[in-house]
Amino acid sequence: EAGVAQSPRYKIIEKRQSVAFWCNPISGHATLYWYQQILGQGPKLLIQFQNNGVVDDSQLPKDRFSAERLKGVDSTLKIQPAKLEDSAVYLCASSRNRPNTEAFFGQGTRLTVV
Amino acid sequence: KQEVTQIPAALSVPEGENLVLNCSFTDSAIYNLQWFRQDPGKGLTSLLLIQSSQREQTSGRLNASLDKSSGRSTLYIAASQPGDSATYLCAVRLVWSGGFKTIFGAGTRLFVKA
Repeated sequence: EAGVAQSPRYKIIEKRQSVAFWCNPISGHATLYWYQQILGQGPKLLIQFQNNGVVDDSQLPKDRFSAERLKGVDSTLKIQPAKLEDSAVYLCASSRNRPNTEAFFGQGTRLTVV
Repeated sequence: KQEVTQIPAALSVPEGENLVLNCSFTDSAIYNLQWFRQDPGKGLTSLLLIQSSQREQTSGRLNASLDKSSGRSTLYIAASQPGDSATYLCAVRLVWSGGFKTIFGAGTRLFVKA
């Protein structure tokens, strides 16, 4: 079974620029998550999709962050414009829509905003 | 609101020592609890998954326990090795807005000295 794929692995941008991250979940996983992990902290959920609908985006800074999941498969997370405090690792995860199941994580995208 | 706390935040031990990492959560209505390992600059690797009906899970030198009534889980690492040096994260899975959500603790940074 192929894992969760993310790209790019690393990205360096200047503040006020825009950036996009891509995630391809495990086949058959209806639920997709985007997490932000700031250095020294645990991952924080930004947005959660169930198929192509948003289940929870309560912690997504909607003035600058946006995400979509077209056709309920791949997803993109965009930041526009980026701020210095957006420097973090952005993790994508997927799981089946069942209670007693585990989430599988991608390798993450490390974003540095300078 | 579910909160996940991990103690200690950091731990340094000599090689060969047995050690215990702690995770506590405020809401006992969880479906499962998962322990992850994260190496610097890398994604999350799942170590153990404990279902809500289970008390413990074992994998090699790792043993994880779950006490839902007290809101606690422990990860026991036997005969620690320098290769065990990493950040260990616990995450709880719960019902959320018709779907499921995974919430993380901030992690315990472990350093095993040779």
